[in-house]
Parts: sequence; C-alpha cells; structure tokens
Amino acid sequence: NAGVTQTPKFRILKIGQSMTLQCAQDMNHNYMYWYRQDPGMGLKLIYYSVGAGITDKGEVPNGYNVSRSTTEDFPLRLELAAPSQTSVYFCASSYPGSGANVLTFGAGSRLTVL
Amino acid sequence: DAKTTQPPSMDCAEGRAANLPCNHSTISGNEYVYWYRQIHSQGPQYIIHGLKNNETNEMASLIITEDRKSSTLILPHATLRDTAVYYCIVQDKAAGNKLTFGGGTRVLVKP
Repeated sequence: NAGVTQTPKFRILKIGQSMTLQCAQDMNHNYMYWYRQDPGMGLKLIYYSVGAGITDKGEVPNGYNVSRSTTEDFPLRLELAAPSQTSVYFCASSYPGSGANVLTFGAGSRLTVL
Repeated sequence: DAKTTQPPSMDCAEGRAANLPCNHSTISGNEYVYWYRQIHSQGPQYIIHGLKNNETNEMASLIITEDRKSSTLILPHATLRDTAVYYCIVQDKAAGNKLTFGGGTRVLVKP
C-alpha cells in the first residue's frame, strides 16, 4: 500500500513552459485534492474531485487544470508557467464515508519557475 | 477562509505536555475538528479528529469544549521530533467537505 504518490519530486520550469504533476493513490479513495504551499504559508486548495469525472475549483484555481478519468489518478496541469506558481504542491486523497473526512497527503512536488 | 484561529507560535519543553489551543466559533453541529501537523516541508500528517466527545489516540488527545467553539490538542510528552507546524481545521460541510488550512501554530520543542 503506497498511499499517495506524487511525481516528480522536484522540477524547474522556464516561464511559459507547461507540465503535468502526477498524483496516484492506491487506497480506493473517491476524493482527491491538490494544494499548493508557498514559503512560510499554509496550504491553499487549488482543485478537488469527489469522484472520477467530477472536478471542482478550490481557492486558487487560476493557471491550473485538472482531470479525473480514473479513481486512482488526479493529474494537475500547469499551462504557461509563471514565477508566481513557484511553490510546493501537495496531493491528497480521502474517503469521507461516515461523515469524517481524513486526508492522506503525498510527499509533495517542489516546483520552481524561472 | 479558514474557520479556525490559532496562535502563530509556541514553545514547549521536551518531556512536558504541549497544549495547543484552537478557536472555531462558527462550527456547525455536524462538522468535525481535525488536527494535522507538518514537519519541515513534508506532507501534512493526520493526528486526530473529533466531533463532540474528547478523543485520544497513540499520538495525542483532543479536548473539545461543550459548546464546540474551541478545542485543545494535547501532546502528552513532547519530544524534539514533535517540532512542527500544527494545523487545526474544521471541514466545510457546505462546500463539499473541503478542508481549509489556516496558518497553524509553529511549535518548537526545546531540550
């Protein structure tokens, strides 16, 4: 049981480039999330998904896109990278069955845009 | 916006109990309180959650006031490895059970 796996761990992008951050979970969780964390700050929700084929915006969705074609995977796409997207990105998943919603987080992907 | 308020930082002596307060005065009757911690830049780690009753697990205890407007996370015997940022979070039932992280409390355990 690997939990939540994020790739890559580190990436440097040039302004204007695009890339996809991968997130996979093997716990059969139906909910998945993408957060970003800027230095010294808390986590901000970018996008989330309550199941395959369903996605919704969080607090800071601009500049990002997501898709959820399978229960296991929730990739985050950055189009036209900007320095403001330099951050650590965390993917999480959960199964809010009986009311509580305990998230399991990945180790993070550190992105630098130069 | 986060539905919780926490002190930005606190120190604790190694081996002593650490009591971390959290205010959540707008919590609804069916919303849980969760505590996570983040060590360095690692992914947040789940600690404990509760609804109305006090809860205890191998990591910590959670004390929730009777009116549910505040809670306290207790680390019974703090170690140096407990140095981290601790987040108190209330799920947003009205917005798809999302968890919104605030600034947390930066806890420094000193020898």
